[in-house]
Amino acid sequence: DAGVIQSPRHEVTEMGQEVTLRCKPISGHNSLFWYRQTMMRGLELLIYFNNNVPIDDSGMPEDRFSAKMPNASFSTLKIQPSEPRDSAVYFCASRFGGRETQYFGPGTRLLVL
Amino acid sequence: RKEVEQDPGPFNVPEGATVAFNCTYSNSASQSFFWYRQDCRKEPKLLMSVYSSGNEDGRFTAQLNRASQYISLLIRDSKLSDSATYLCVVNKYGGSQGNLIFGKGTKLSVKP
Repeated sequence: DAGVIQSPRHEVTEMGQEVTLRCKPISGHNSLFWYRQTMMRGLELLIYFNNNVPIDDSGMPEDRFSAKMPNASFSTLKIQPSEPRDSAVYFCASRFGGRETQYFGPGTRLLVL
Repeated sequence: RKEVEQDPGPFNVPEGATVAFNCTYSNSASQSFFWYRQDCRKEPKLLMSVYSSGNEDGRFTAQLNRASQYISLLIRDSKLSDSATYLCVVNKYGGSQGNLIFGKGTKLSVKP
């Protein structure tokens, strides 16, 4: 079975540009998580969805960040406008039902110049 | 105080050595605990859950001390392939209700 799929795998953009990261969770998983990982702060939860509904977005840094999950098989994380401090690896993870184990995608490496 | 704290390392050990990592957590109400492994430039993956009674999986042993709020991971007879960053993870509420809180990780490098 395919794991969590993320695209693009790498993104280099200039400050001020819009960036859209995409995630396809594992089929049948009903919870989806967006994380950001940096050397300074480690792995931080940005937002998570249960059954396509955002449950906790307290980790979203500011209004420049937004996330959507229009259906059970697709989610996006958008940064507009992007800033150099947004440079990080962004991971998407999914989880099945009442289980605790989260399965991570390969991540998107974002560099904002 | 950070919610989950770990010694960042790096721990540099020879093959065959035994190495132990510790982790402390701040929320005494935390319910579930895990160790994840993250290889260089890869995603985190679950290594093992940590139970109050302790649990063992081959060369890996995890222990939980609720009174002191710390979690440990012991790796015996370390292999080159054990080189990775080990993330201590806590679920504040347990089950599917809580979010996972990740430590920043302890880097292990096993040398020939």
